[in-house]
Amino acid sequence: DGGITQSPKYLFRKEGQNVTLSCEQNLNHDAMYWYRQDPGQGLRLIYYSQIVNDFQKGDIAEGYSVSREKKESFPLTVTSAQKNPTAFYLCASSLHHRETGGYTFGSGTRLTVV
Amino acid sequence: GQQLNQSPQSMFIQEGEDVSMNCTSSSIFNTWLWYKQDPGEGPVLLIALYKAGELTSNGRLTAQFGITRKDSFLNISASIPSDVGIYFCAGLMNRDDKIIFGKGTRLHILP
Repeated sequence: DGGITQSPKYLFRKEGQNVTLSCEQNLNHDAMYWYRQDPGQGLRLIYYSQIVNDFQKGDIAEGYSVSREKKESFPLTVTSAQKNPTAFYLCASSLHHRETGGYTFGSGTRLTVV
Repeated sequence: GQQLNQSPQSMFIQEGEDVSMNCTSSSIFNTWLWYKQDPGEGPVLLIALYKAGELTSNGRLTAQFGITRKDSFLNISASIPSDVGIYFCAGLMNRDDKIIFGKGTRLHILP
């Protein structure tokens, strides 16, 4: 079955440490996205990639980094520069950018800084 | 950036009641989408709308693409406990390359 997989489901990090969230899709989608979700804030775009080896900053990119070396994979690194990293992180993909059919989302990773 | 204003922020209803929520913007959208997010999961697409005035149903859910192209509505008839969750509207503009999401409507169903 095709889908988008995020791992791990829960992640704990000590302050000052970098951590990488995994996102893999086998839908053959060109575009991939990372969102952050906080209570009452909706979905805020961190980074997106329209094609392999290319990515753009979203609305809240500070303190995050990404790579897109393979079509299937779009890992997100939360760096120590991110002042308030505790949140629910969602990865999504679409056949191509400006996909009118909407995005397919993963089941999310909940990151907690301890 | 562009914003979608989604209302209400939250709703408390009795099982069996009908539900209405809406999404408005000051800008014109060419595509409207409605998603539902179950607790602890990612959003799932419910309905996609592509034409002004379009009315589309998916089971007990009905969504409409506003005539002005600046708003959209979602109705749920005869709510059941599994309808609990957050409903997001989303839109795609002609000149943008990514979908814009509203902040969501959280639906609670009272026992």
